[in-house]
Amino acid sequence: SQTIHQWPATLVQPVGSPLSLECTVEGTSNPNLYWYRQAAGRGLQLLFYSVGIGQISSEVPQNLSASRPQDRQFILSSKKLLLSDSGFYLCAWSVPSSGLAGYNEQFFGPGTRLTVL
Amino acid sequence: AQSVSQHNHHVILSEAASLELGCNYSYGGTVNLFWYVQYPGQHLQLLLKYFSGDPLVKGIKGFEAEFIKSKFSFNLRKPSVQWSDTAEYFCAVIPSRRGYQKVTFGIGTKLQVIP
Repeated sequence: SQTIHQWPATLVQPVGSPLSLECTVEGTSNPNLYWYRQAAGRGLQLLFYSVGIGQISSEVPQNLSASRPQDRQFILSSKKLLLSDSGFYLCAWSVPSSGLAGYNEQFFGPGTRLTVL
Repeated sequence: AQSVSQHNHHVILSEAASLELGCNYSYGGTVNLFWYVQYPGQHLQLLLKYFSGDPLVKGIKGFEAEFIKSKFSFNLRKPSVQWSDTAEYFCAVIPSRRGYQKVTFGIGTKLQVIP
């Protein structure tokens, strides 16, 4: 069966420090991968998605970047954190659709709670 | 681009009360619709989904949702809630088109069920 891991679970970082959040998926190949930020009262905001190794698309301009160095590894990074980067970050994966999109649901990881002080 | 609106941000119910959470979307074409649920301390997980066919879809734990195309709505219902239904519920929509399409989530509704 497929599983998705995220670490760390919680992180407290000072403003201006770098960030690296990791997400790995097991039990599937060539998944679509996603990074979301969940903020209270604002729902889930899609930050990045990837349909393959080295292929990253950004949904919103921001202080963050993403990379996919391996098929089932997705990394969220920042060179210098801002206070506004605080939030709950979720990684998700889905099976790519060969036909019409949206047929396959997204599976979410446990999330990382980031607090920037 | 599509959008999703969830009308109730925080709902408090007593056990055995009936539940209906509103969800409306905006998109000019065919869509697929989802309800996800996040129980306290757990992963966000799929509750139910609509792709085509019968507009009344049934999900896990006694939940159901009805797709009303003319109203662009996909409301979530449960006839009798339990304390264990306390969670945050998200409606989501994705265009039913070829190629990669973005899933858009609503802002979520926090449901608190009082024993």
